[in-house]
Amino acid sequence: DGGITQSPKYLFRKEGQNVTLSCEQNLNHDAMYWYRQDPGQGLRLIYYSQIVNDFQKGDIAEGYSVSREKKESFPLTVTSAQKNPTAFYLCASSIGAGLLSGELFFGEGSRLTVL
Amino acid sequence: GNSVTQMEGPVTLSEEAFLTINCTYTATGYPSLFWYVQYPGEGLQLLLKATKADDKGSNKGFEATYRKETTSFHLEKGSVQVSDSAVYFCAPEGSYIPTFGRGTSLIVHP
Repeated sequence: DGGITQSPKYLFRKEGQNVTLSCEQNLNHDAMYWYRQDPGQGLRLIYYSQIVNDFQKGDIAEGYSVSREKKESFPLTVTSAQKNPTAFYLCASSIGAGLLSGELFFGEGSRLTVL
Repeated sequence: GNSVTQMEGPVTLSEEAFLTINCTYTATGYPSLFWYVQYPGEGLQLLLKATKADDKGSNKGFEATYRKETTSFHLEKGSVQVSDSAVYFCAPEGSYIPTFGRGTSLIVHP
């Protein structure tokens, strides 16, 4: 079955450590996105990528980094510079970007807790 | 870019009650419109969509009609169940960057 896989589902981090969240899709989608969701809040865009080897900052990119070396993979690194990283992180993909994006397909999410 | 305005939640209903969650949009042209649902602890999943004006999207008893005249895409269900408790997001296609608001939390009591 095609879809998006995020791992790990739960992750604990000590302050000062970097962590990387994995996102893999087998839908052959060009565009991929990372969102952050805090309790009772909507989704805020961290980074997005419309094509391999290219990505752009979203609304809250500070303290995060990404790479897009392969079409199917879009890992997110939460760095020690992110002051409040405890949140639920969602990865998504779409067949295209912008006017031809179509619907978004989401992973199950990764919950990061800083101890 | 395209955007939506959704009613604030939470919406609290008793089982078998009628549900309406309002959504209005601003857009260039006539983009496809989507409703997504997020169950507790999970990612979002597409609930229904409508691709052109006057289309009605439906799934799992939920319906929404693409109203060009009122730029609305309200979500309705005739009889909600406890299992419908979730957060619902309205979103238009066509935004350069897909954006989501806070969503509307639905709580259904037995």
